Amino acid sequence: GAGVSQTPSNKVTEKGKYVELRCDPISGHTALYWYRQSLGQGPEFLIYFQGTGAADDSGLPNDRFFAVRPEGSVSTLKIQRTERGDSAVYLCASSGQGGTGELFFGEGSRLTVL
Amino acid sequence: GQQVMQIPQYQHVQEGEDFTTYCNSSTTLSNIQWYKQRPGGHPVFLIQLVKSGEVKKQKRLTFQFGEAKKNSSLHITATQTTDVGTYFCAGGVRGGSYIPTFGRGTSLIVHP
Repeated sequence: GAGVSQTPSNKVTEKGKYVELRCDPISGHTALYWYRQSLGQGPEFLIYFQGTGAADDSGLPNDRFFAVRPEGSVSTLKIQRTERGDSAVYLCASSGQGGTGELFFGEGSRLTVL
Repeated sequence: GQQVMQIPQYQHVQEGEDFTTYCNSSTTLSNIQWYKQRPGGHPVFLIQLVKSGEVKKQKRLTFQFGEAKKNSSLHITATQTTDVGTYFCAGGVRGGSYIPTFGRGTSLIVHP
């Protein structure tokens, strides 16, 4: 079966623009996480979904960041009014064990804000 | 909030030498996971430890979870060039949402 799929793999945008990043998790996985990774750092938690609802969004840095998962499968991370500091690799991971086991990561979406 | 610290940040070794990375949490963990990220790649799960004092082995890799469930280590015996990458620990706390908190990682460089 397919793994976690993320699109786009690379996104270059200008400061102030709106960006959407998509994550298609492993089929049947109810838990979905978004992390952000900057160069030389570990993945930094953004938001966690269990099913359709955001169970924990405490990692979102500010109200420019928003994520949805309307049907409990595909998730979209939305960033408004992008800033240069938003540049990073955005990683999506899913888990099939009620969110307490192994995370399966996608290849990530590299966002560059000019 | 919960913090996970990992040392060292970098480790250079000659092929055949051993390697160890250490992970410490500010809070007691329900479990700890280890991941490996190759250069340009994404984190890949290696193992999960749950019990206090647990030790698990995978070929040349030995993983330990401390008695107090606040620290962990990964030891690689006789490193090979295929071991190159960054090793992350990720600690989770049960109760409410399970959110693995990642350490900064240890980058292993193996010189042939």
